[in-house]
Amino acid sequence: AQSVTQPDIHITVSEGASLELRCNYSYGATPYLFWYVQSPGQGLQLLLKYFSGDTLVQGIKGFEAEFKRSQSSFNLRKPSVHWSDAAEYFCAVNGGNKLVFGAGTILRVKS
Amino acid sequence: DAGVIQSPRHEVTEMGQEVTLRCKPISGHDYLFWYRQTMMRGLELLIYFNNNVPIDDSGMPEDRFSAKMPNASFSTLKIQPSEPRDSAVYFCASSSDRGNQPQHFGDGTRLSIL
Repeated sequence: AQSVTQPDIHITVSEGASLELRCNYSYGATPYLFWYVQSPGQGLQLLLKYFSGDTLVQGIKGFEAEFKRSQSSFNLRKPSVHWSDAAEYFCAVNGGNKLVFGAGTILRVKS
Repeated sequence: DAGVIQSPRHEVTEMGQEVTLRCKPISGHDYLFWYRQTMMRGLELLIYFNNNVPIDDSGMPEDRFSAKMPNASFSTLKIQPSEPRDSAVYFCASSSDRGNQPQHFGDGTRLSIL
């Protein structure tokens, strides 16, 4: 069965600093991978997705993620974080059955 | 375009009462998903529908939970009788494909059972 691990429960970065959120997945074939963001009191908003092809995918709000098959990873990155990026971020994998979410990483941005 | 619409946004009720949560998916989407989010268990898929038919309800916690989709534009999740441990945020999501297209989420219903 597919699974997703987000090893960092909380991350704090300074505004303007770079960001990398880690995600590791378990699935036998090439998965469909997603990153979602959830602001307090809101639903989940899609940041980006990977299906196939170029392993570096661009998303909204200046985010990007890189699929690395050899490491079973799909890490999310942003070169310069803004205070409005403070939220919870979820990585998800869909292997053709159900969308399985990681536990989430809460991002705090300090000024 | 309107997104996924859920109602109510907040519900507070006493233990033992019936609770009905409502969802209107995005027009044209033929998959609808119900999730529950708690601090302890994170996001859990409860049930999903394809073309109004329940496909997988293995995530429904107990017989007290039931879900229906009478037409392509409306779904309900019902809890009867409700218990304090049902307190959570319930999300509805829809997509045009089970796996290849992303799911679009509503803003959720925050349910508190006293």
